[in-house]
Amino acid sequence: DTEVTQTPKHLVMGMTNKKSLKCEQHMGHRAMYWYKQKAKKPPELMFVYSYEKLSINESVPSRFSPECPNSSLLNLHLHALQPEDSALYLCASSQDRRTSGGATRFFGPGTRLTVL
Amino acid sequence: SQQGEEDPQALSIQEGENATMNCSYKTSINNLQWYRQNSGRGLVHLILIRSNEREKHSGRLRVTLDTSKKSSSLLITASRAADTASYFCATDATGNKLTFGGGTRVLVKP
Repeated sequence: DTEVTQTPKHLVMGMTNKKSLKCEQHMGHRAMYWYKQKAKKPPELMFVYSYEKLSINESVPSRFSPECPNSSLLNLHLHALQPEDSALYLCASSQDRRTSGGATRFFGPGTRLTVL
Repeated sequence: SQQGEEDPQALSIQEGENATMNCSYKTSINNLQWYRQNSGRGLVHLILIRSNEREKHSGRLRVTLDTSKKSSSLLITASRAADTASYFCATDATGNKLTFGGGTRVLVKP
């Protein structure tokens, strides 16, 4: 199985809602990532988990809260978002670079988030 | 922040023609990767070239890397309508951080 799955595909939420994005992979990858992508822009790294521990947080606002419950799952909890947070949220996984020396990322199809 | 800058930002070609896009970056890298993204979907890895490699091929793709100029190019030969997509270079410098360039939008007209 060489697939990264993300749910939901689309999400519309109000600024007071709490929602979660989910990501799953069964490739045995020990590094998992969240990226945010605005239209016609490149993906921007938000968070990196390595061996289920948060290793990089790119100064993301606290209204985004990541969680890695186990080596296959990655969640992104959303609370009190702003309309400018509307974007495509991409999850990716890879071999951890410490063991692979430079790793291909496998991306999920993304969750299209709209904040009203 | 973006590590790479891509040129051109957009490219329109006829089916069968070759497409070339360039990527420049700023800091030392361990490897450089190219990804394709079809409209509004996830990215697909195309090719990885390590800092000690100068050229790599994969099917109709040819990637070059010049570390002295901090630049890379991606050539797609004999393009097809299915090659219509955005193409991103991405640099892998330290840790698990992969930083993407601005991307080149390629339109292949049948």
